Amino acid sequence: LAKTTQPISMDSYEGQEVNITCSHNNIATNDYITWYQQFPSQGPRFIIQGYKTKVTNEVASLFIPADRKSSTLSLPRVSLSDTAVYYCLGVTTSGTYKYIFGTGTRLKVLA
Amino acid sequence: NAGVTQTPKFRILKIGQSMTLQCAQDMNHNYMYWYRQDPGMGLKLIYYSVGAGITDKGEVPNGYNVSRSTTEDFPLRLELAAPSQTSVYFCASNPIGVSASSYNEQFFGPGTRLTVL
Repeated sequence: LAKTTQPISMDSYEGQEVNITCSHNNIATNDYITWYQQFPSQGPRFIIQGYKTKVTNEVASLFIPADRKSSTLSLPRVSLSDTAVYYCLGVTTSGTYKYIFGTGTRLKVLA
Repeated sequence: NAGVTQTPKFRILKIGQSMTLQCAQDMNHNYMYWYRQDPGMGLKLIYYSVGAGITDKGEVPNGYNVSRSTTEDFPLRLELAAPSQTSVYFCASNPIGVSASSYNEQFFGPGTRLTVL
């Protein structure tokens, strides 16, 4: 499974775009890059997943370059309610479908 | 659908006591997982199951046991509670499609906050 590395914490202001980068140098061909969001006292919630290039949904965009050694989660115009921990994980689709969460990035949105 | 449900929400145990954390899902998902999350830390995988009757160890299985007799239920058993098992426990499930090239998101329960004194 791909080991991922993310910044421990980030601060941003309301209305700004936030980009959180994740490094995954040993990502395997079968791995999908997936991001989860976790609010205090709740379980994580799926945000977005991708394999390569760019994926966009109603919540975020995910950019994965051609070499797939990193990825960037982009949150447009954040609000106070986006304050949460964001996890990047590589999920293998061959074999056992294990999900390994790291420590995540703690995003704090300021007014 | 109720999704993934967990009981109890909170529990305080004394050292050496035993208990079972219950997890159920009504989405007919094949895969189920147990995680623990210590304060300020990420989630660590304890055990997982790919279907009824099949379980496997995750990153931190010591001190825990699981069983999966039905698709819906995946209980986690603590036999001899220790202070190091004080944590929040999350159960999750996801459907694994027929195609190995697809990915399926995990759905998490609300968690069980366990304190061992």
